[in-house]
Amino acid sequence: VTQTPKFQVLKTGQSMTLQCAQDMNHNSMYWYRQDPGLGLRQIYYSMNVEVTDKGDVPEGYKVSRKEKRNFPLILESPSPNQTSLYFCASRQMETSGGLTDTQYFGPGTRLTVL
Amino acid sequence: AQSVAQPEDQVNVAEGNPLTVKCTYSVSGNPYLFWYVQYPNRGLQFLLKYITGDNLVKGSYGFEAEFNKSQTSFHLKKPSALVSDSALYFCAVRRASGTYKYIFGTGTRLKVLA
Repeated sequence: VTQTPKFQVLKTGQSMTLQCAQDMNHNSMYWYRQDPGLGLRQIYYSMNVEVTDKGDVPEGYKVSRKEKRNFPLILESPSPNQTSLYFCASRQMETSGGLTDTQYFGPGTRLTVL
Repeated sequence: AQSVAQPEDQVNVAEGNPLTVKCTYSVSGNPYLFWYVQYPNRGLQFLLKYITGDNLVKGSYGFEAEFNKSQTSFHLKKPSALVSDSALYFCAVRRASGTYKYIFGTGTRLKVLA
């Protein structure tokens, strides 16, 4: 799973898209944010192409899943409370050995909104 | 509602001693339980999971965890800690059916002292 950019500083209201791509042909993909003392919180997830749903903290974010490989996270009008470390993950549900349900995480994007 | 509690922000252990990182959960229905590890400036890596079967689950790097349904716990253990095990550990839960949503704990920082 790859994520770009690794670091980004934005001004309030300056729109931004965080990119996420996976090459493992997984159906499911996820976006999380990591904040000190709060752990990881799920923002959005996608069960398959054109199928997305809200997680626990979707406010201020949008997603689209037009192809299996990519799952971008859109911040249309960022605010300082969206300063965070963002992780994308894709999920493997099955292997030849059976059910696995394993998430593979990208390296993260550290976003600062001033 | 699903929830995960990691009661300790930090665990310190001497190298060579056994370690335990605690996790308790709340979920309606059967749980899928996971441990992930995060090394500095990296994304999360899968360690182990409980989906079904034996309550004692063995994972990567010599870690294991025991699913205890009556105590709703899934503590992470290792018989002999290494300095290289120092990292941030996350417990996560998902209800076995009807949802793609994962809930992560707030994380426990493990520090192994030489």
